[in-house]
Amino acid sequence: QQQVKQSPQSLIVQKGGIPIINCAYENTAFDYFPWYQQFPGKGPALLIAIRPDVSEKKEGRFTISFNKSAKQFSLHIMDSQPGDSATYFCAASKSGTSYGKLTFGQGTILTVHP
Amino acid sequence: DTGVSQDPRHKITKRGQNVTFRCDPISEHNRLYWYRQTLGQGPEFLTYFQNEAQLEKSRLLSDRFSAERPKGSFSTLEIQRTEQGDSAMYLCASSFGLGPGFFGPGTRLTVL
Repeated sequence: QQQVKQSPQSLIVQKGGIPIINCAYENTAFDYFPWYQQFPGKGPALLIAIRPDVSEKKEGRFTISFNKSAKQFSLHIMDSQPGDSATYFCAASKSGTSYGKLTFGQGTILTVHP
Repeated sequence: DTGVSQDPRHKITKRGQNVTFRCDPISEHNRLYWYRQTLGQGPEFLTYFQNEAQLEKSRLLSDRFSAERPKGSFSTLEIQRTEQGDSAMYLCASSFGLGPGFFGPGTRLTVL
């Protein structure tokens, strides 16, 4: 019940395309859903996060869509650039003292071709 | 210093030896997290602190793992009697509220 399943494992798009990465969770107690971006040789960096009281959140070219009834959330990258090529992880946690205890998805390797 | 720093960046040890890693968080952050990441996988939670207090520890951790954060500043993660299965990247992160925002570059542990 603690799993977060992420798909696809890898994704290739052309510059300007809109890659979409999907995640599904099982634990209905999860109420914090961040996305992280990781470049080779670096630690993950928080990109954007959403709480279940909203269905969509935008920050720059990154948008999270959230479907509470389906227990799914997704990341959309608008006007993707070669510099967006990285591994993306979704994650989830419960509120309170458990905010720090994130359960991560398996990751999606995104390649944006020029 | 504008980020989380970890030391050492790489550690090679023989099975059965003890190792200790250090993490220096962003100075104003009160929360500090340790995660472990193996190749091709997402990070796996180990433990986290709020100031000096260790709030949660993964049940996946055996008694061979211990972490401290004296005075609520830097933290150390010790692994005793290392096993080959401990080989991984050990990541530290810090934040001020909610979950980890900024991860350090990690310490890559190789157990021979």
